[in-house]
Amino acid sequence: NAGVMQNPRHLVRRRGQEARLRCSPMKGHSHVYWYRQLPEEGLKFMVYLQKENIIDESGMPKERFSAEFPKEGPSILRIQQVVRGDSAAYFCASSVSGNTEAFFGQGTRLTVV
Amino acid sequence: AQTVTQSQPEMSVQEAETVTLSCTYDTSESDYYLFWYKQPPSRQMILVIRQEAYKQQNATENRFSVNFQKAAKSFSLKISDSQLGDAAMYFCAYRRIRGGADGLTFGKGTHLIIQP
Repeated sequence: NAGVMQNPRHLVRRRGQEARLRCSPMKGHSHVYWYRQLPEEGLKFMVYLQKENIIDESGMPKERFSAEFPKEGPSILRIQQVVRGDSAAYFCASSVSGNTEAFFGQGTRLTVV
Repeated sequence: AQTVTQSQPEMSVQEAETVTLSCTYDTSESDYYLFWYKQPPSRQMILVIRQEAYKQQNATENRFSVNFQKAAKSFSLKISDSQLGDAAMYFCAYRRIRGGADGLTFGKGTHLIIQP
C-alpha cells in the first residue's frame, strides 16, 4: 500500500507564474489536509478537503490560493501569481476519516525566484 | 485559538542517554489529541506518539514516552537510550475533537542532536 504521494518534490517558479502541487492520498483515504512549512517553522494548517468538498479552509490565504479534491484524481493545491513569500515546503496528509490518524507525504518544496 | 509552544529550539544529548523535550499548549477544549512528530532531514513527517486527553495514563512507544499533565497543559516527550537515528526535528501538535475534523496545530519544533 503506497503512502501519500506528492509531486513534484521540488518546484521552481518565477514570480507571477502559477504553481500546481499534487497529492495522491493513500488507498482508501478520502480526507486530505494541506499544510505549509516556512523555514525554521512548524507546519501551518491550510485546508481540509473531502472528495469534491472543502470542509475547512480557515488557514488558506484569501487570495491566489485554491485547493480541490475531485471525485477522480489527486488533490491539487494551486497558487496563482506566486511571490517570493510563497517559497516553502507544502505537505499533504490523508486519513480514512476525520478522526483517524493522518499520514503525511514527503512534501513539495516550492522555490520562487 | 489553540496554540502550541516548544520553548527549546535545540537540544543535545549523548548517545544512550535520556532526553526530554518540552511542549505546552493552550486550549479551552476539554477533549483533544496531542502528538509528537519526528521530521528527519528527508522532511518526511513521522508520527512518534499520540495521547488522547481523556486518558490519564501516559502513552508509551518503546523508547518514547510522554508526561501528560492536563491541568498544566503540558505534554513532554522522553526519549530513552538515545540513538543516532533519533536525530531530527521534533514537533509537538494538537488537534481538537469535534463533529467534523480539524487540522493539526504544530509548535515550532525542537532540533534534537545526538552526540556519538
